[in-house]
Amino acid sequence: SAVISQKPSRDICQRGTSLTIQCQVDSQVTMMFWYRQQPGQSLTLIATANQGSEATYESGFVIDKFPISRPNLTFSTLTVSNMSPEDSSIYLCSVGTDRGTEAFFGQGTRLTVV
Amino acid sequence: GENVGLHLPTLSVQEGDNSIINCAYSNSASDYFIWYKQESGKGPQFIIDIRSNMDKRQGQRVTVLLNKTVKHLSLQIAATQPGDSAVYFCAELTDSWGKLQFGAGTQVVVTP
Repeated sequence: SAVISQKPSRDICQRGTSLTIQCQVDSQVTMMFWYRQQPGQSLTLIATANQGSEATYESGFVIDKFPISRPNLTFSTLTVSNMSPEDSSIYLCSVGTDRGTEAFFGQGTRLTVV
Repeated sequence: GENVGLHLPTLSVQEGDNSIINCAYSNSASDYFIWYKQESGKGPQFIIDIRSNMDKRQGQRVTVLLNKTVKHLSLQIAATQPGDSAVYFCAELTDSWGKLQFGAGTQVVVTP
């Protein structure tokens, strides 16, 4: 298993500002994933972060809004840019095993935009 | 794609009874499925998984059933306890690295 730490655990931000969320894993992993969970809803994949290359974004998500860094095999950041109240969600970091099974999640970052 | 904003369906279960949570998945080619439990304020926690070459798998108090014909998963929780109150999600693996497609989720409320 992997232990995943996210920071911050929660934040309240002003509209128009940006927030960077950090995800630290206790072991080296090839792929890291960022998900969004809007209030009362399921998880939706934002992007896949592979070390050494640009993140791959899912339909409906763009790099200008959600820039991602992956500087090494244990760390990634997700920035939520130019925030609006519609960005209020829980943002979750995830890693898969090398065999692609048992994807593990961090505890999430609860973002409220006012 | 994204789930359009609806509140999660709720399953109300009396303590000690068995719970059955259902999930439909989308891709007939998917070969690995996971059930997650998400408690308030926490990230999803792995409960049990199943590969497509199986139709049933049992864990401690939990059983997952897979019906590939109708693309349906279920999670059975035996002797439901107050600590089982949470949101439960099924997820299907969509690549070999851990990328997941989640189902809509079910809120389980255990009543005394």
